[in-house]
Amino acid sequence: RKEVEQDPGPFNVPEGATVAFNCTYSNSASQSFFWYRQDCRKEPKLLMSVYSSGNEDGRFTAQLNRASQYISLLIRDSKLSDSATYLCVVNNFGNEKLTFGTGTRLTIIP
Amino acid sequence: DAGITQSPRHKVTETGTPVTLRCHQTENHRYMYWYRQDPGHGLRLIHYSYGVKDTDKGEVSDGYSVSRSKTEDFLLTLESATSSQTSVYFCAIKGEETQYFGPGTRLLVL
Repeated sequence: RKEVEQDPGPFNVPEGATVAFNCTYSNSASQSFFWYRQDCRKEPKLLMSVYSSGNEDGRFTAQLNRASQYISLLIRDSKLSDSATYLCVVNNFGNEKLTFGTGTRLTIIP
Repeated sequence: DAGITQSPRHKVTETGTPVTLRCHQTENHRYMYWYRQDPGHGLRLIHYSYGVKDTDKGEVSDGYSVSRSKTEDFLLTLESATSSQTSVYFCAIKGEETQYFGPGTRLLVL
C-alpha cells in the first residue's frame, strides 16, 4: 500500500462549480500535511498547509481527519486558472523528508 | 520565490555518459533535496543533504551520487546514464514550513 494515496482523476469540472479531493495516508505518526499545486511542466508549489482545526484561504478549504487518516481539499467557485495537478504531501514527526501522493489532475471547463 | 535555480534546464545525452545537474540556492538553507518525477510515480527522493559534505540516500538512489562542497550548491551526478533515468529532476530546499522547489531539469537519455 502506498504511504500517500490520491485519486489520479482526471476531474473535469465546469467553471464555477465546487470540487473536492481526498487523500489518505497510512502512517499514523504523520504530523504535517500540505497541498501543493503543480502546473503542466512546472515545479510543485505550496498551495496551503493543512491544520488539525481545518483552514481556509479564499476559495480553498483544507481539512484533516486524523482518526480516518485522510486530508481533503475543497475548491469553491472554480476558475479556469485552477486547472492543475494537486499533490497531497505528508511529513512525519522528526523526519526531514516529505512523502508525496501521485497527484490529482483537475481541469476546469469553460 | 525560494531563490533556487537549476542547470541545465534541459539536457539530452546518450546512454553510458556521465551527467551532472546543479542546484543553486541563494538563501543559506541547510537542507537540500533531489527528486525525480515520473508519470504514475509522483515525486521520489533520490538523495538529500543536511549540510556541507553531509548527504544521505533517498528511496531511489541507485545510479546517482551527490556532492555538496558549499552551502549554496548541491550537485547530482548520474555516473553512467541509462534510459530509465530519463525524467524530470527537481531540486528543493527546506524552508521554515515545508520544502520549496526549483524549476526542474528535463533529462532525456537516448
